Amino acid sequence: AQSVTQLDSHVSVSEGTPVLLRCNYSSSYSPSLFWYVQHPNKGLQLLLKYTSAATLVKGINGFEAEFKKSETSFHLTKPSAHMSDAAEYFCVVSEGGNEKLTFGTGTRLTIIP
Amino acid sequence: GAVVSQHPSRVICKSGTSVKIECRSLDFQATTMFWYRQFPKQSLMLMATSNEGSKATYEQGVEKDKFLINHASLTLSTLTVTSAHPEDSSFYICSARDQGTRNSPLHFGNGTRLTVT
Repeated sequence: AQSVTQLDSHVSVSEGTPVLLRCNYSSSYSPSLFWYVQHPNKGLQLLLKYTSAATLVKGINGFEAEFKKSETSFHLTKPSAHMSDAAEYFCVVSEGGNEKLTFGTGTRLTIIP
Repeated sequence: GAVVSQHPSRVICKSGTSVKIECRSLDFQATTMFWYRQFPKQSLMLMATSNEGSKATYEQGVEKDKFLINHASLTLSTLTVTSAHPEDSSFYICSARDQGTRNSPLHFGNGTRLTVT
């Protein structure tokens, strides 16, 4: 069985400071991991994905995430927050090429001007 | 890039009526599409997997007779909420993968906000 835990339901950072959104996963097989962003009343946009290649994954809008198998973590980071980053972020796992995704509970990111 | 179009974006209906939501892959073919439901301030929960030309696969606890899914073509899946009740009010999102592109990620529609009065 697969699952993800997003450790923070809400994160607030000042504009221009680093962002860290935490995610831990559980998977019986080789997992694929994703981060999606959702703006209010919108669908989900893929930020980045890990599929057993490089452990440091670079995504869109300056985001990146590092897959750490020993820690079963896939934290999302960005060096400098922008006002437009304010949104809901979901960590997602799928197993062994399975298309079925399991979503974390989400982290709401607020950017303080 | 690949785009998934969902229609309508918002719908309000009265209790007891039925509502149909469409999910289209605009520039790719998808033999499989997925329907999710999202309650306010909560995560997405997979409701069912829509399979082109065959029956949908429903997740445990999802009433197949209430949430009718039809996947009649490689670019269109529909979700019909039958005899809607206020507790069916939610945000419904579909997703699809480009079958013709290797390692293509899932693309999501912009969602449909259903309000049942």
